[in-house]
Amino acid sequence: DAKTTQPPSMDCAEGRAANLPCNHSTISGNEYVYWYRQIHSQGPQYIIHGLKNNETNEMASLIITEDRKSSTLILPHATLRDTAVYYCIVRVVNDYKLSFGAGTTVTVRA
Amino acid sequence: NAGVTQTPKFRVLKTGQSMTLLCAQDMNHEYMYWYRQDPGMGLRLIHYSVGEGTTAKGEVPDGYNVSRLKKQNFLLGLESAAPSQTSVYFCASSPRGEHTQYFGPGTRLTVL
Repeated sequence: DAKTTQPPSMDCAEGRAANLPCNHSTISGNEYVYWYRQIHSQGPQYIIHGLKNNETNEMASLIITEDRKSSTLILPHATLRDTAVYYCIVRVVNDYKLSFGAGTTVTVRA
Repeated sequence: NAGVTQTPKFRVLKTGQSMTLLCAQDMNHEYMYWYRQDPGMGLRLIHYSVGEGTTAKGEVPDGYNVSRLKKQNFLLGLESAAPSQTSVYFCASSPRGEHTQYFGPGTRLTVL
């Protein structure tokens, strides 16, 4: 019972912004949106999370629509090292478990 | 600060053999998790622990057992390995009250 929908793959040019969409139309008011990424053969790495407001940190920005039914992860200046599978996950605020889907395979090209 | 470490990195077993995977974290985190990842798929939660001496089942617990005798360690056991348990196993930890999980580098297990 998938809670999120992501495109299976996307390409991005090095140095340009990468915009990764995620649909979570059934999200509840107490569910956060999380983004993780997994670089080949490594353990997943936390990127960012948010509830209602847009968020920014040193890695990325998270834009959540006003109705909270979709969000976009923005990597402002993609590098070759950003090539990875990116997972969008919704999670109840008091639930410590993460449910990973198939994610989006992002390939950054020189 | 090593973060989350996993032992061993690779292992090959024969069907029916047993083994234990060790996860250790030096961040004093309360919560620990074991996931498996099959080729081309996302991670699935096997078991988790919300504190020393406590464990709980995740999505795919069958065929595995776990123990959390010390806060910093979380052990995953396979009593009788099957080829269907060929996978990459990831351990993670998170502090109480925070949602971010920190992952180890993984253990690649092949069961012949």
